[in-house]
Amino acid sequence: EVQLVQSRAEVKKPGESLKISCTGSGYSFTSNWIGWARQTPGQGLEWMGIIYPADSETKYSPSFQGQVTISADHAISTTYLQWSSLKASDTAMYYCARLSAKAFDVWGQGTMVNVSS
Amino acid sequence: QSVLTQPPSVSGAPGQRVTISCTGSSSNIGAGYNVHWYQQLPGTAPKLLIYRNNNRPSGVPDRFSGSKSGTSASLAITGLQAEDEAVYFCQSYDNTLSGSDVLFGGGTKLTVL
Repeated sequence: EVQLVQSRAEVKKPGESLKISCTGSGYSFTSNWIGWARQTPGQGLEWMGIIYPADSETKYSPSFQGQVTISADHAISTTYLQWSSLKASDTAMYYCARLSAKAFDVWGQGTMVNVSS
Repeated sequence: QSVLTQPPSVSGAPGQRVTISCTGSSSNIGAGYNVHWYQQLPGTAPKLLIYRNNNRPSGVPDRFSGSKSGTSASLAITGLQAEDEAVYFCQSYDNTLSGSDVLFGGGTKLTVL
């Protein structure tokens, strides 16, 4: 079964760093781009960026460029979404999803990030 | 504010037909990019419902169909069922200086009366 499994929910304080993960299985992980999206109640789904795990080529949404870092370790079929200094406004559900023929055909279960002092 | 515009909500009674629109522009849907649709049931991750305008992944009932014309696309659901109550998102791409960016619509909450 093709699946993406994300890391557990996180509770952090403003200014702290965080790295969440998304691990694929059931397919050749280096064959597909993986995207990250943010979901908040007021903003719906926002695309953050995509990465090609085979060579770590990355493309960011202009809204998230410089705010987060997307990386990958294809040896362990995992991509990461990282913040160096969290803000309260980063509180959201984050999803990874596999890109196939330009559509996101497999989604992770989501990682809730709560940033509060 | 999403570049792909969807109605915030639609509703229908069981058995009825509803449509959800996704309106873009000449730089995205009108530029020829395909539109994909996702269903997000309460408390779950989005799920691919329609890809490349009008194709259903394996397991998606044929009650769901998609279409695209000009700068807009639509998702139609016939024979509405209670379990169809969810949020529906459209997705496409937008031309940028560096290529193309992923776009999501703002989402439409479907209520089954």
